[in-house]
Amino acid sequence: AQKITQTQPGMFVQEKEAVTLDCTYDTSDPSYGLFWYKQPSSGEMIFLIYQGSYDQQNATEGRYSLNFQKARKSANLVISASQLGDSAMYFCAMREEITGNQFYFGTGTSLTVIP
Amino acid sequence: DAGITQSPRHKVTETGTPVTLRCHQTENHRYMYWYRQDPGHGLRLIHYSYGVKDTDKGEVSDGYSVSRSKTEDFLLTLESATSSQTSVYFCAARGTAAYEQYFGPGTRLTVT
Repeated sequence: AQKITQTQPGMFVQEKEAVTLDCTYDTSDPSYGLFWYKQPSSGEMIFLIYQGSYDQQNATEGRYSLNFQKARKSANLVISASQLGDSAMYFCAMREEITGNQFYFGTGTSLTVIP
Repeated sequence: DAGITQSPRHKVTETGTPVTLRCHQTENHRYMYWYRQDPGHGLRLIHYSYGVKDTDKGEVSDGYSVSRSKTEDFLLTLESATSSQTSVYFCAARGTAAYEQYFGPGTRLTVT
């Protein structure tokens, strides 16, 4: 079974609008962390935001927020006020803390911001 | 970025030749990882290390071996490269805080 599922291969958003990138995960580990990374065309992996499984509040980092719904096992990334520089691949990832420290990635969502 | 460097950054090699990729970190992180990135697959874990000489397999470990003789260096070896190992390889290290997972710049490997 897939540990991380990203069902949107490609997304388009108008500049200055908000966009939600979907991510669902599968784990039986009670302690885990959820991550979002941005990969621009230059190829580097840029950390955006983190949510711990025991965190009560949704994580926010500037224009990024993580909509964490634990019962539904979803960790959607919300980007507010999209900018042209947000055009990139976005990856959701999970680390299970107890079952070996492995780090799992989804297949990514390609976001294009339209001027 | 936790001072993670990878070498070489680009390599073209022939089928059947051995290849070693190096990952070097300067922050004394305990956990280090090797991933490969292919279109449609995201990043997949090849091997990881939880200390000097302590390594374990990831989901796509066949055809790869690793070694970690020093905290700062994590080597990935393709004993006999195949065209299916053409990929971009990323090294990563885990920091002390839960959110810290740092990536190197990647190595683009082409096996002809």
